[in-house]
Formats: sequence, structure tokens, C-alpha cells
Amino acid sequence: EIVLTQSPGTLSLSLGERATLSCRASQSVGSSYLAWYQQKPGQAPRLLIYGASSRATGIPDRFSGSGSGTDFTLTISRLEPEDFAVYYCQQYGSSPPYSFGQGTKLEIK
Amino acid sequence: QVQLQESGPGLVKPSETLSLTCAVSGYFISSGYYWGWIRQPPGKGLEWIGSIYHSGSTYYNPSLKSRVTMSVDTSKNQFSLKLSSVTAADTAVYYCAKRSGYGWYFDLWGRGTLVTVSS
Repeated sequence: EIVLTQSPGTLSLSLGERATLSCRASQSVGSSYLAWYQQKPGQAPRLLIYGASSRATGIPDRFSGSGSGTDFTLTISRLEPEDFAVYYCQQYGSSPPYSFGQGTKLEIK
Repeated sequence: QVQLQESGPGLVKPSETLSLTCAVSGYFISSGYYWGWIRQPPGKGLEWIGSIYHSGSTYYNPSLKSRVTMSVDTSKNQFSLKLSSVTAADTAVYYCAKRSGYGWYFDLWGRGTLVTVSS
């Protein structure tokens, strides 16, 4: 099973700042089989990024994804109030199980 | 607009079987896609449980495979999860979700339902 490790566990930033979230896999997930989700309290996760760098429908362009192999990054260029949430990465490059990272909490500084 | 809605008991006794159903609206599940279940223990991360196709083809998380059964009812446009021999560790919010047509990521989720395992 591929283990995903997200860092940092908590990220404290101010409105308008740039956020950089990391997701590292215990082995290669292939060139781009990595997705990112946003989860707000009491809500289901929402797909943000798939294929490591493709934005899902309706996702603002301040969200971008990059990386390949074992190292992936989610970047939020300028933080808006609605961006403060927990972010999860998920790999789907190997056979089941399709594992998730433990999450990064993005909080307002 | 495709929507998913979970339903089932919110409280299950230890050693019993957890049963949940996900009703799909806005799309006929017999038309395609894999449909699945993901859970989240309180305050913790996400765990994929398994997914099922309208034909009945399934993929399960190996860590849960011995206790999981999924089924689909195309006449009711819904699919179901059964998890046997539950313990307190199975207490979680259970989400049903639709797999994307392009890979094993999930592009549509239900709102989730909390299932507590307790006597």
C-alpha cells in the first residue's frame, strides 16, 4: 500500500498570502495519478485537482497543482477567506487501496 | 445535476453489521461509472472502503475486504454497503461517492452520515 505523507500538519497564513502544501508518497504513484480535495467543517470533501495539475470543474485558478512520481504540491496563490479548510491528497496510481494523506489544516493567522 | 444521499442507522451495536444505502438522483447508475464508499473517523482522515460498478464488479480495500459487501440495485438507482463484525473503530462518517470517468478519484460526494458503534 502506498502511504501519503502531507506537510505541514497545520499551516497558519494570512489573507492574500500564498499557501504551499506538500504531499509525499512512499513510492511512485506514476506521473500524475494524484488528486487534491478540500474539506470544510461538517462538509464532504470537494475535488480540487486531479491528474496532479488539472483543476476540477468550477475551481478557481488561484488553485494549482504540480509534481510527479513521489512529490506533489498544491499551491493557493492568494488566500481568500473561503480557502481556510483541511486539504487532502489522494493517490490512484496503483491498484487498490486508493489511499489518502492525513491532511493539512490551513488556518487563518 | 447528479446528487448522492446516504441513509441508514446512526447507531450499530458491536459485532453487528452496519448497513448503508446511497440513493443517486440525476443520473442512472446503470449508465456507467463506479460508485463507492469512503469513511472518516471523527477528527481523522479519509479511508476508501470500496467501489462497485452497475454490473456488480467490485474493488475493496484489502484491509476491510473480509468484512465488506457492496451491492447495487439499478431498479432503485441505489447502491449499498454492508460492514460486518463492527467495533468502535468503525465509528465514522460514511460518504458515498462517484468515481470519475478518468481515474480512481472521486468527483462527487454525498453529504455523509455518521455511524456510531456502541452498545
